[in-house]
Amino acid sequence: QSALTQPASVSGSPGQSITISCTGTSSDVGNYDLVSWYQQHPGKAPKLIISEVTKRPSGVSNRFSGSKSGNTASLTISGLQADDEADYYCCSYAGSNTFGVFGGGTKVTVL
Amino acid sequence: EVQLVQSGAEVKKPGEALKISCKASGYRFTSYWIGWVRQMPGKGLEWMGVIYPHDSDTRYSPSFQGQVTISADKSISTAYLQWSSLKASDTAIYFCAKHGAAFDLWGQGTMVTVSS
Repeated sequence: QSALTQPASVSGSPGQSITISCTGTSSDVGNYDLVSWYQQHPGKAPKLIISEVTKRPSGVSNRFSGSKSGNTASLTISGLQADDEADYYCCSYAGSNTFGVFGGGTKVTVL
Repeated sequence: EVQLVQSGAEVKKPGEALKISCKASGYRFTSYWIGWVRQMPGKGLEWMGVIYPHDSDTRYSPSFQGQVTISADKSISTAYLQWSSLKASDTAIYFCAKHGAAFDLWGQGTMVTVSS
């Protein structure tokens, strides 16, 4: 099971919007609406910010939004803030045998 | 409080065995899959496998099949990750996480260092 493909880094200025892509295959991202996104600050455990492609857990800012088209999912962060500087990982369900696969991660830098 | 509390950091030698734990509280342990995720130093997250504590149904990522064993004791709401013979390349932080539609609750992580 290959990892999902994410850009290594994305940057933006405060207040701007950025989008992180997550490309999989028809066996994972393209076949299930079970893509999730996680934010990880250095030295911390990951935190769920988007589940089931578009759903935001309680307490997560509405500046985070998710979408999917074909085999590619995307995370958009609008109104970029300093605290958004972190690593972001996508994850997709990949069937009942393997269950899941992560992307390689994207480092977001706020300029 | 809904939480997952993992066992403490471990320092082991190559070839030694190890079992780390993840204790759940605040939710029905047997109703959700619980998984393990590896993060090697300076690297990304890797899906290792999940277990359904109700019946111990276990699924492994192909990369970890045969390398580790995931188990659970529903009487004490605890999941485990174990190795029979550690390698230096097993040095990493290991997270447990509760899986509903996604990993919605994470443990604090257990640092495992394997060095001679």
